[in-house]
Amino acid sequence: GENVEQHPSTLSVQEGDSAVIKCTYSDSASNYFPWYKQELGKRPQLIIDIRSNVGEKKDQRIAVTLNKTAKHFSLHITETQPEDSAVYFCAASMSSGGYNKLIFGAGTRLAVHP
Amino acid sequence: DVKVTQSSRYLVKRTGEKVFLECVQDMDHENMFWYRQDPGLGLRLIYFSYDVKMKEKGDIPEGYSVSREKKERFSLILESASTNQTSMYLCASSLFAGDSNQPQHFGDGTRLSIL
Repeated sequence: GENVEQHPSTLSVQEGDSAVIKCTYSDSASNYFPWYKQELGKRPQLIIDIRSNVGEKKDQRIAVTLNKTAKHFSLHITETQPEDSAVYFCAASMSSGGYNKLIFGAGTRLAVHP
Repeated sequence: DVKVTQSSRYLVKRTGEKVFLECVQDMDHENMFWYRQDPGLGLRLIYFSYDVKMKEKGDIPEGYSVSREKKERFSLILESASTNQTSMYLCASSLFAGDSNQPQHFGDGTRLSIL
């Protein structure tokens, strides 16, 4: 069935290190891939997204790469800071009855230690 | 800035009760969504709506229904609450009808406990 697998489920890094979160998806027709950050007790917020006609997108310390052939995409955070600590969700668009919907991964809890 | 407001942050109800969760957005968005969030399962889509009085089932619609009488308001209804519906419920909206290939804006969530 439709699914998005996300790894790792938890990630612990030292401040200043890089963090990478990986997702794979099942629907080869997926063409939109957003990433959301959810801080403790707060709403998920979009941090970056990528469409299938682009292989990589960067916004300051965060970047996303997409490999459509392998059906996987990744979030890269460089120079991590304690305020990057949160749960991160990837998602992929999938068709459903003539409409598109988002399928979310299970989430990655990132802890950045000072 | 888009504002998605959910009526309650915390709610406690009893098994068998009919429960209403309300969501309002103020940016004239066409699409509205209801998700539930459980540890280790991410966000799972319950129902969505692309227009007033229109609804589509998501991935886990059993035990739920929805209502969209006005464009800005999308209600989630638990017809007869059960303990396995204890969860965090998130409402979201996005701009263009019929297309999820765009950012979704989330509310703060309602943590619902069914006793």
